[in-house]
Amino acid sequence: TQLLEQSPQFLSIQEGENLTVYCNSSSVFSSLQWYRQEPGEGPVLLVTVVTGGEVKKLKRLTFQFGDARKDSSLHITAAQPGDTGLYLCAGRADSWGKLQFGAGTQVVVTP
Amino acid sequence: SAVISQKPSRDICQRGTSLTIQCQVDSQVTMMFWYRQQPGQSLTLIATANQGSEATYESGFVIDKFPISRPNLTFSTLTVSNMSPEDSSIYLCSAPGQGSQETQYFGPGTRLLVL
Repeated sequence: TQLLEQSPQFLSIQEGENLTVYCNSSSVFSSLQWYRQEPGEGPVLLVTVVTGGEVKKLKRLTFQFGDARKDSSLHITAAQPGDTGLYLCAGRADSWGKLQFGAGTQVVVTP
Repeated sequence: SAVISQKPSRDICQRGTSLTIQCQVDSQVTMMFWYRQQPGQSLTLIATANQGSEATYESGFVIDKFPISRPNLTFSTLTVSNMSPEDSSIYLCSAPGQGSQETQYFGPGTRLLVL
């Protein structure tokens, strides 16, 4: 089993601030996905990264996949209360492998 | 992408009873997945359901407790049998997106409370 470690576990910030969530492993992943889950909902896919060094942007969210494909980060610029949620990273060892989840980072953005 | 629906969205059940959760995907998929998310926790894979074959269960999960059906390429059910309060959890159905095995989508979940 490949372990994904997410940090921090919890993050509380004011609206307008920036934040970064990290997802690290000692193993290589063929792809890595980031999800956001709000209370009472299922996880919603934000992005899939597959290439080492890849950077993807989704409005104020920037996702990076490490060169060695062992780690990833999610950076949110000028956070808004709507960004509040549980952020989950999940990696796959190969295209047909099981999706392994990190423990999640609970982000709270207060007005 | 894949649009996934689940029924029921939530239920409160008595211990010793069973609940069957339904999952419908808007496209044909080879594999469907069932996860459990206990309060305040991340997702744990229960089993992988392939159409036309027995489901593959992860360590700690057994068919007698969590029987799964996969009658066609768009539908699956998960039954939580002989429930106890420890089964109180969110149960999530998941499937890959069309044309991409790497990407996986989730249903809205079924919130189960066992009294």
